[in-house]
Amino acid sequence: AQSVTQPDIHITVSEGASLELRCNYSYGATPYLFWYVQSPGQGLQLLLKYFSGDTLVQGIKGFEAEFKRSQSSFNLRKPSVHWSDAAEYFCAVGPSNTGNQFYFGTGTSLTVIP
Amino acid sequence: GAVVSQHPSRVICKSGTSVKIECRSLDFQATTMFWYRQFPKQSLMLMATSNEGSKATYEQGVEKDKFLINHASLTLSTLTVTSAHPEDSSFYICSARDPGRGPNGETQYFGPGTRLLVL
Repeated sequence: AQSVTQPDIHITVSEGASLELRCNYSYGATPYLFWYVQSPGQGLQLLLKYFSGDTLVQGIKGFEAEFKRSQSSFNLRKPSVHWSDAAEYFCAVGPSNTGNQFYFGTGTSLTVIP
Repeated sequence: GAVVSQHPSRVICKSGTSVKIECRSLDFQATTMFWYRQFPKQSLMLMATSNEGSKATYEQGVEKDKFLINHASLTLSTLTVTSAHPEDSSFYICSARDPGRGPNGETQYFGPGTRLLVL
């Protein structure tokens, strides 16, 4: 069955520190992977996506993610966190040309402390 | 990037009334749009897939007679919550698939969401 797991419900980091948000997926076909960010009361903004090719993907706002097929993971990273990065982060997988379903993880809430 | 708008951003209504939420793709044509519901502190739950010119496809457990979806044009889909009740209060988010982005048009762009409060 297709699913996305974000093991960390909530993470707190200091401003300027590095960040890694974990995402593991289970998907029958070749996965298309996404990271979205949601600020309070707002919709989702696409940070980055992976379809194929280079497994290290660069996104907006200084984020990057690495696809590791052997670990079924697509972790999001940022070398230096800014206070404005505080938000909810969602990992998602799909859809492919086999269907429309888009599976979201439960999200990781990021708090940034001064 | 592609832009998707939603209107209204916030609505309060009385129990028993109907509420219509619009979702528009502003700079691309979307043959497929999606409607999600998000409860506080939870992830998005896909409610239905809206296909231009045909009936929407509803996910299991979603009442099609309560959540009416119309995708009348390539840039507009509407979700109507009929006879709303307090338990329908939620954050509703639409997304649109841009067929021009990605190998199979997989990228979805999300609207800013509509917060519905039913009194």
